Amino acid sequence: GNSVTQMEGPVTLSEEAFLTINCTYTATGYPSLFWYVQYPGEGLQLLLKATKADDKGSNKGFEATYRKETTSFHLEKGSVQVSDSAVYFCALSDLINAGNMLTFGGGTRLMVKP
Amino acid sequence: ETGVTQSPTHLIKTRGQQVTLRCSSQSGHNTVSWYQQALGQGPQFIFQYYREEENGRGNFPPRFSGLQFPNYSSELNVNALELDDSALYLCASSRAASGGRSEQFFGPGTRLTVL
Repeated sequence: GNSVTQMEGPVTLSEEAFLTINCTYTATGYPSLFWYVQYPGEGLQLLLKATKADDKGSNKGFEATYRKETTSFHLEKGSVQVSDSAVYFCALSDLINAGNMLTFGGGTRLMVKP
Repeated sequence: ETGVTQSPTHLIKTRGQQVTLRCSSQSGHNTVSWYQQALGQGPQFIFQYYREEENGRGNFPPRFSGLQFPNYSSELNVNALELDDSALYLCASSRAASGGRSEQFFGPGTRLTVL
């Protein structure tokens, strides 16, 4: 079946450092790929998405490029802020009947120190 | 526009009991999905409801069941609770679209603790 693998955390960075969180996937067909963010005590918020190979999703300074040849969707940000501290989940979307289901990685906790 | 809401926020049950969790979908959405997120793990798909019928199911036993109502709200029922059912239960709503590539919007979750 389909699966998503993320680098384990926690990732601890100083403010303004460069961030990379690795994500690779295994899937049949051509899934859509997503990054979700979860702040403490909250549900999931969509951060960015890409629906086909070579698409780049971007939002709030975060970027990720859908790489079909390496089955990867790594999350990057050039300069992190303390407010970026959260858990980040990589996910892919499978079609099911009339809708779609999400398969998530295990999550990567990011801690940004001032 | 009202987002996805879930109730209750927290719940404590004992092993063997039954529980019902509720979800109101976002305005304009007709599909509801439920996910289980164990502590320190990623969410796992339980099932999805569309037009009041189960549209797909993950690897969960039959004691996990659900309903969707005409107003697109939904319930998740879990019978014979086990300790491993302790988790954050997330509801997500979406609008079924051609090709199934519709974005899911998540609620804040219900934290279930089974003692």
